Parts: sequence; structure tokens; C-alpha cells
Amino acid sequence: DAGVIQSPRHEVTEMGQEVTLRCKPISGHDYLFWYRQTMMRGLELLIYFNNNVPIDDSGMPEDRFSAKMPNASFSTLKIQPSEPRDSAVYFCASSPRALTGVRQETQYFGPGTRLLVL
Amino acid sequence: AQSVTQLDSHVSVSEGTPVLLRCNYSSSYSPSLFWYVQHPNKGLQLLLKYTSAATLVKGINGFEAEFKKSETSFHLTKPSAHMSDAAEYFCVVSDRFGNEKLTFGTGTRLTIIP
Repeated sequence: DAGVIQSPRHEVTEMGQEVTLRCKPISGHDYLFWYRQTMMRGLELLIYFNNNVPIDDSGMPEDRFSAKMPNASFSTLKIQPSEPRDSAVYFCASSPRALTGVRQETQYFGPGTRLLVL
Repeated sequence: AQSVTQLDSHVSVSEGTPVLLRCNYSSSYSPSLFWYVQHPNKGLQLLLKYTSAATLVKGINGFEAEFKKSETSFHLTKPSAHMSDAAEYFCVVSDRFGNEKLTFGTGTRLTIIP
């Protein structure tokens, strides 16, 4: 299995531009998570999906951020317009089943997209 | 609500000596606990997890952790450090009967001295 795939790996853009980050989860995984990692705030959960449906987006910083999952094998995180404070590493992770219940499953992380907004 | 406290932001050990990374947790319910490792410019990789089975959990690369409910701790140990262990380590808690969210600690940076 190729694992979680993210693209691009690096993105440099100018303030005000639209940025789209992409994620392909591991085949067969029901859950998909988007995280942001910064030095100041550590790892933050932005949003997660179950069977392509957004379940909790309370971590999305503001309306400039949006995420979609049109099918089980693809998700996007869009920032429009981007700002310098959005500079961070964005991780996508997937999980094969619900974490709730007796059996627990792990989240598998992609390599991340390093975003720099100038 | 659940939370994790990693007691040391930075730990340095000499190669070949033991490693101890400390983690305390708080959870309203029965927790699942994880340790993840992040090497520079890489994603997060699972080291080990505790999910109510044996309290001593063995993971990859010789790491292990012991769940101590009375101390609300889940410290990560390794008998002998290797240069390749230099990385950032995250203690993570999940509520097994709550939602699907993981709560991450702030991380401990492990440095190995040759």
C-alpha cells in the first residue's frame, strides 16, 4: 500500500492567492482527517470526514478555509485568500474504522504539505 | 474532555543509554493512548498504542510504554538509544467511547549525543 498521499509536498504562494492542498487516503479507510502543524500551536485538527461526509469542522480557523471530499479516494483543503499566518505544515491522515468502541484503530499520516505564504 | 501533558520539551541522551520520555494524560473515560514519532521533514509514524489490553505495550524500534492508571501516566522508554532515534515524539490520547478525535501533546524533541 502506498500510504496516504499528499500533494504538493511544498507550496510557496503570495498573500491573497488561492491554495489547494490534496490528499488521497489509504484505500478502504472510512475516516479522513486534516491537521495543521505550527511551532506556536503544535498539531491542530482542522476537520474530519466519515464516509466522505464532514463530521466536525470546529477546528477550521475561519471562512477562508474549506474542505471537501467528493469521493472516498480524494479530499481537498482550500485556503482563499491565503495569508502569511497560514504558513504551516498541513497533514492529512486516514483511519480504517471508528475510534469509538472497543476496538481502536490508528490514524495513518501522510508526509504533509509545507505551505509558505509570502 | 481529554488532555495530554508531555513533561519535557527536549531530552538529550548519549547513544547506548536509556531513553525516558514522560507523558501524563487526563481523560473522562477509558482512554486509548498512543506514541507517534516525527522525523525531520517527515509525517507522523505510530510507535505503539494502548487500548485496554496489556498495560505494558511494545512498539517498533525497541520502544515500549507502560500504562499506569493510578499515576495517569504513559511514559515511553527504550533501553539503549540509537542515533536514528533522534526525532520529535508525540504522546496522544483518544477517548475510546467518545468521538474520533485525537488529542496531541506538545511534543518532546529527542537528541542523541554520539
